[in-house]
Amino acid sequence: TQLLEQSPQFLSIQEGENLTVYCNSSSVFSSLQWYRQEPGEGPVLLVTVVTGGEVKKLKRLTFQFGDARKDSSLHITAAQPGDTGLYLCAGENSSGYSTLTFGKGTMLLVSP
Amino acid sequence: DTGVSQDPRHKITKRGQNVTFRCDPISEHNRLYWYRQTLGQGPEFLTYFQNEAQLEKSRLLSDRFSAERPKGSFSTLEIQRTEQGDSAMYLCASTLVFGLAAHNEQFFGPGTRLTVL
Repeated sequence: TQLLEQSPQFLSIQEGENLTVYCNSSSVFSSLQWYRQEPGEGPVLLVTVVTGGEVKKLKRLTFQFGDARKDSSLHITAAQPGDTGLYLCAGENSSGYSTLTFGKGTMLLVSP
Repeated sequence: DTGVSQDPRHKITKRGQNVTFRCDPISEHNRLYWYRQTLGQGPEFLTYFQNEAQLEKSRLLSDRFSAERPKGSFSTLEIQRTEQGDSAMYLCASTLVFGLAAHNEQFFGPGTRLTVL
């Protein structure tokens, strides 16, 4: 079974601070996706990373895929209250049928 | 709105009753997934369809759970003889997959929150 561990589980910061959340596994994934989920809603896709070492930027969010395609990080610069939510990483398995394995998520709270 | 829709958004039922949830995917998407999400956890994969074919159902939680996608468009998830442990958010997602190079970027619906009393 492929497992994704996310850390920290919970993060509470002030507006303007920077933060990094991590997604780690012992398994190799063909791609890794980051989603953000707000209470009572479904996850919304932020980015997909495919190539080992890949870095993608989405405004103040920077996503990195590890060289071995087993881990990823999400860095947010100058966090805003609108960034509050549950950040989920999901790995796409490398063989067999294509499904996603989700981590438990990092709950981010950004206070004004 | 052309996103994934789910109905109902909330369902409260008594233990032992049957419930059915509906998912309408994005119209051109050929794959449809069902997930369950409990508090403090990420979505847990249950089953998925490619058009009308159910390609994986071994991860359904028990034989009380079943899903259909009869015409390759909308899908239903049924839970028979509900138990309190079935209380969760049930999420549907869809994607368009073609060829071997596509990556599985899924678009989620808002979910159905089930409460079993």
